[in-house]
This record gives sequence, C-alpha cells and structure tokens, in this order.
Amino acid sequence: GDSVTQMEGPVTLSEEAFLTINCTYTATGYPSLFWYVQYPGEGLQLLLKATKADDKGSNKGFEATYRKETTSFHLEKGSVQVSDSAVYFCALSESRDDKIIFGKGTRLHILP
Amino acid sequence: NAGVMQNPRHLVRRRGQEARLRCSPMKGHSHVYWYRQLPEEGLKFMVYLQKENIIDESGMPKERFSAEFPKEGPSILRIQQVVRGDSAAYFCASSPGQEETQYFGPGTRLLVL
Repeated sequence: GDSVTQMEGPVTLSEEAFLTINCTYTATGYPSLFWYVQYPGEGLQLLLKATKADDKGSNKGFEATYRKETTSFHLEKGSVQVSDSAVYFCALSESRDDKIIFGKGTRLHILP
Repeated sequence: NAGVMQNPRHLVRRRGQEARLRCSPMKGHSHVYWYRQLPEEGLKFMVYLQKENIIDESGMPKERFSAEFPKEGPSILRIQQVVRGDSAAYFCASSPGQEETQYFGPGTRLLVL
C-alpha cells in the first residue's frame, strides 16, 4: 500500500541555520503531496502542497519540490527561526480516495 | 469563517466507559474525516463521511468504534467500552468536496485510565 517515510527526529538546529527534512513516498498512482505542521497542543496546519511532478510548494519561507523520479518531497528552509519549532508531517493523498497518509513526523527544535 | 471545531479538547474516561467526540466542520464543508494519532506516531485515517453517509470506514476498528454525520449537527465519533489502548489524540478534518484541501481541528485528547 501507499506509505510515507520521513527522517526521524528530533532535529535540533540553531537559529538562522539551513533546514532539510527528508521525505520519500511509495504510491501506486499519482498522489498529491503535503507538508503539515503541528505546534504544541494544536491541530495540524497545512504548510504547503504540490499536486504534480516538478511542482514546487512554498509558504512562510519553506519549500518542497515534487520529485517523481526519486519519489521525494524534501522540506527546506534557508534560515529557520525559534518560532519554527514544531512537528512536521509529510503526507500524500491519492486522487482515487481522499484519505491522507501521513509519515510519523519529525520534531524540530530551534535554539536561539 | 470559524475553523474546524472539536469538543471536548480533553476527555478522561475509565476503562469500560463510553467516549463521545464531536466535530463541527467549517462552514460550507460537507465532508468530514477522522484521524487518530497515537503517541509519537503520525496520524492514521479512520473514517470519511458526508452528510448522513459513511463513504470510507476502512481505518475504523471493527468493534466498539462508530461514526456518524447527521443532517443537522456535528459529526460524532463514538467509542464504546474504552480500553487503555484507545488513549490518543483524535483529529477531525473537513473539506468542501472531494479532492479538496482538508482543514484540521485542534483535536480531542482522550485519556483512558
């Protein structure tokens, strides 16, 4: 079945460092890909998405490019802030149904 | 436009009791999804409902769990005779239609003693 694998955390970085969180997926069709962020004690917020190969999703300085050839959707940010500390989930959704399949999440700590 | 609302935010139950979780979708959204998040895990799909219909319940445990989305009122996820393994965060999401972005509520954190 479809699945999402993302790098395990926690990831700890200093403020203004470059961030990469790796994500790869397995899917039978042509899924849409997502990154969600969960701040402590809150629900998930959609951070960015891409619906087809080579699309780049971007929001709040975060970017991810849909790479079909490597089945990847890595999350990047050039300069992280303390306020970016959260858990980040990579996810996919096939067009044939609406369920979202999530990775296990990567906890990010940004130190001032 | 208010977001997806869930209540209660926290729920404590003893083993054998019933847990009832409510979800009010965003205005104009007729599709509701329930997900469960176990500690240190990602979210797992449970059920997808439209008004008065269950569309996909492939992620629901076969026993003790049920869900509904009546014509009027919130969607309800019901867990009968709770056990400690049911302790988790339960998230509801809503969307205006199929293949549309899902918006998540703040979740209900269920603790079974």
